[in-house]
Amino acid sequence: RKEVEQDPGPFNVPEGATVAFNCTYSNSASQSFFWYRQDCRKEPKLLMSVYSSGNEDGRFTAQLNRASQYISLLIRDSKLSDSATYLCVVNKGLGGQNFVFGPGTRLSVLP
Amino acid sequence: EAQVTQNPRYLITVTGKKLTVTCSQNMNHEYMSWYRQDPGLGLRQIYYSMNVEVTDKGDVPEGYKVSRKEKRNFPLILESPSPNQTSLYFCASSLLGSVGHEKLFFGSGTQLSVL
Repeated sequence: RKEVEQDPGPFNVPEGATVAFNCTYSNSASQSFFWYRQDCRKEPKLLMSVYSSGNEDGRFTAQLNRASQYISLLIRDSKLSDSATYLCVVNKGLGGQNFVFGPGTRLSVLP
Repeated sequence: EAQVTQNPRYLITVTGKKLTVTCSQNMNHEYMSWYRQDPGLGLRQIYYSMNVEVTDKGDVPEGYKVSRKEKRNFPLILESPSPNQTSLYFCASSLLGSVGHEKLFFGSGTQLSVL
């Protein structure tokens, strides 16, 4: 089993749709959680950190469920510019920083 | 401008010819790391470094070397490249800070092809 698993995708949605991505992680000692966005063959960029209480940044909402070892990302009112691959990232935090990346879920927002 | 500079952007080489991919950051970050990205596998960590002269293996270190003689530089060395090292490589850096606030800054990537 992979340490971090994500919806296989791809997701093809119309503009304005709401889309949700799911992620699970296997290491219960994991310390911190993030969503990164990656455009084709470019470097990943931090979209948002994920906190236990859940957090929102504009159209983006992230949730963490430590008991179920589950992380989610919700995008409301999708824009064409949201088309990208979304990476779930977990820091195992075993005596230092050790980030583990999920395989990513590709999103295409269609006009 | 705060950035991670990675060179070269593209590299084509032949099996067995030693190469180095450079990585430099200007943010005084303690933590630096190398990843490779392959289709369907996501980013996998090769090596990482917590500070000068402190390096450790990631998940896929075989065939790679690194060094951290200075805080800003973290080169990736392939002593004898093989075709299975054909991949997209990323260098990243981060401050060692409070949990949940670590942000990875990435270089723009190096597409390596080993023939």
